Amino acid sequence: DAGITQSPRHKVTETGTPVTLRCHQTENHRYMYWYRQDPGHGLRLIHYSYGVKDTDKGEVSDGYSVSRSKTEDFLLTLESATSSQTSVYFCAISIRVKLTSGPSTDTQYFGPGTRLTVL
Amino acid sequence: DQQVKQNSPSLSVQEGRISILNCDYTNSMFDYFLWYKKYPAEGPTFLISISSIKDKNEDGRFTVFLNKSAKHLSLHIVPSQPGDSAVYFCAASFSGGGADGLTFGKGTHLIIQP
Repeated sequence: DAGITQSPRHKVTETGTPVTLRCHQTENHRYMYWYRQDPGHGLRLIHYSYGVKDTDKGEVSDGYSVSRSKTEDFLLTLESATSSQTSVYFCAISIRVKLTSGPSTDTQYFGPGTRLTVL
Repeated sequence: DQQVKQNSPSLSVQEGRISILNCDYTNSMFDYFLWYKKYPAEGPTFLISISSIKDKNEDGRFTVFLNKSAKHLSLHIVPSQPGDSAVYFCAASFSGGGADGLTFGKGTHLIIQP
């Protein structure tokens, strides 16, 4: 358990409304990520953060913005939700682990997900 | 263009036998590979990983093999158990562990038959 919570866990909204999803972690990890999962696509990176106020775009960032004003919270905002943004959204954090053989590496651990439906 | 490919959407294996899940990648700059397991309505769970400097990593019933020349990795589960029924995702990163994010395959649904 990497101490990650996501809220809300489920949300139904209408096209054109703003939506904010929250990811909260309790262990002061520097790196945080937002992914979306869709049938036939696996998980795709939306945005990520490497520290407070430091964020960068991922593969599918159009239509999304993020903010990180404190270490423990990473917010994902859909300024004007569209039906194509109906998806399951996962937050992740990165933890450095020492492999039994080989260098230390950063492994990502995921939250429970938020199911968003845009009507 | 998909950089990490899992070409089998589903795989059915008898309980007690070996499950082999395959993954191919196209970008030779990937240097770290991971497998995740996902149950419905839950987040992906980290299973096992391998650095590009290795060709095998083992953890209990799970072994990952990496063939860099073929740009291919596989996950072996021996023996397969009913609780192994889940979707398995292969993932890769450039940065020695994913600081810049992971690139995922589409997943393989493993079904363990009693």
